[in-house]
Amino acid sequence: KNEVEQSPQNLTAQEGEFITINCSYSVGISALHWLQQHPGGGIVSLFMLSSGKKKHGRLIATINIQEKHSSLHITASHPRDSAVYICAVSSMDSNYQLIWGAGTKLIIKP
Amino acid sequence: GAGVSQSPSNKVTEKGKDVELRCDPISGHTALYWYRQSLGQGLEFLIYFQGNSAPDKSGLPSDRFSAERTGGSVSTLTIQRTQQEDSAVYLCASSGVFGTDTQYFGPGTRLTVL
Repeated sequence: KNEVEQSPQNLTAQEGEFITINCSYSVGISALHWLQQHPGGGIVSLFMLSSGKKKHGRLIATINIQEKHSSLHITASHPRDSAVYICAVSSMDSNYQLIWGAGTKLIIKP
Repeated sequence: GAGVSQSPSNKVTEKGKDVELRCDPISGHTALYWYRQSLGQGLEFLIYFQGNSAPDKSGLPSDRFSAERTGGSVSTLTIQRTQQEDSAVYLCASSGVFGTDTQYFGPGTRLTVL
């Protein structure tokens, strides 16, 4: 069993839909990261959180430490949101070696 | 620019040749990381530098891989006697201090070994 699991693996939605991507982890963590990777490979860090909720524009990330679960939400989705969204955790045993989820490939159709 | 930069953006080489990949982290960031992403795969940790401490090389896949960081800033990842399985995108990231700081990624170097 992977230490970081994301769901769904693939998600196709229509423009305007509310999107939720889930991440569950099995290790003790010091922080959880959400990253976005566009076609062509560029990676952008979206959020780093260790508790609660963060919001940036149309993106919202939440984390429940007790349940070892995080969600990334996109409101009013747009085709430019199409990308791979990756969840990664900094484990308590190794603060710098991020443990990566497999990613969720999101396609937003116009 | 203020972001992490990498060069070259693309490198095509022949099997058996040595290659050097460069990373310029964000000014003032003391932590620097190298990752690689093979086609269709997730990110694989390679090596980590923190300030002047000895680097953590635990992720390097073989002794053909080495990296150095000069003056606590620029880093070079060297792959000797390249093999076809080394073909991947090599990504560099830097962060402010340690561990839980947000990592900022460079655009990557796409390495193709023929």
